[in-house]
Amino acid sequence: AQSVSQHNHHVILSEAASLELGCNYSYGGTVNLFWYVQYPGQHLQLLLKYFSGDPLVKGIKGFEAEFIKSKFSFNLRKPSVQWSDTAEYFCAVTRYSSASKIIFGSGTRLSIRP
Amino acid sequence: SAVISQKPSRDICQRGTSLTIQCQVDSQVTMMFWYRQQPGQSLTLIATANQGSEATYESGFVIDKFPISRPNLTFSTLTVSNMSPEDSSIYLCSVVRGQDRNTEAFFGQGTRLTVV
Repeated sequence: AQSVSQHNHHVILSEAASLELGCNYSYGGTVNLFWYVQYPGQHLQLLLKYFSGDPLVKGIKGFEAEFIKSKFSFNLRKPSVQWSDTAEYFCAVTRYSSASKIIFGSGTRLSIRP
Repeated sequence: SAVISQKPSRDICQRGTSLTIQCQVDSQVTMMFWYRQQPGQSLTLIATANQGSEATYESGFVIDKFPISRPNLTFSTLTVSNMSPEDSSIYLCSVVRGQDRNTEAFFGQGTRLTVV
């Protein structure tokens, strides 16, 4: 069965600091990987996704993630965070097929100090 | 993109009662998914609603507690039965559209349930 682990439960950073959120998945086959963000009181939004090809994926709002197959990882990064990045971040995985269920990690709360 | 409408958006219910949540999608989809997001936690998949067959439940969730209907390719309901305060949560309907690179999940706005 698929599973997703997010190592950091709560991360606190100052503005302009660099960010890296860890994500590891467990699944033996080909996967699709996602990062979603949930701002306070809002719905889930897709930040970026990986399907194949270049393992470095760029998303919205300056976020990027790197897929490392040998480590079963898909870490999220941002060179310089802003106060507006305060949110909950979820890593997710699905089998490489259409209409497959998506399994979410436990989430990482990111708090940015102004 | 997909437009997903959920009703009700929120409700406060008495212990022991049941609530049915409706999910309407703007176009036909093969599978619809129901998630629960408990306060301060991640999304947990409850079940996959298949049109024309019984829903497929994840470990820890049973049909008697969370019966699901899927009468057609654009609509599904989730019922939370015999509710207790532990069922207080946000319940989300989701669909997955596209193939390969275009695959993306879309979510309804959620139903915030409080059981008192």
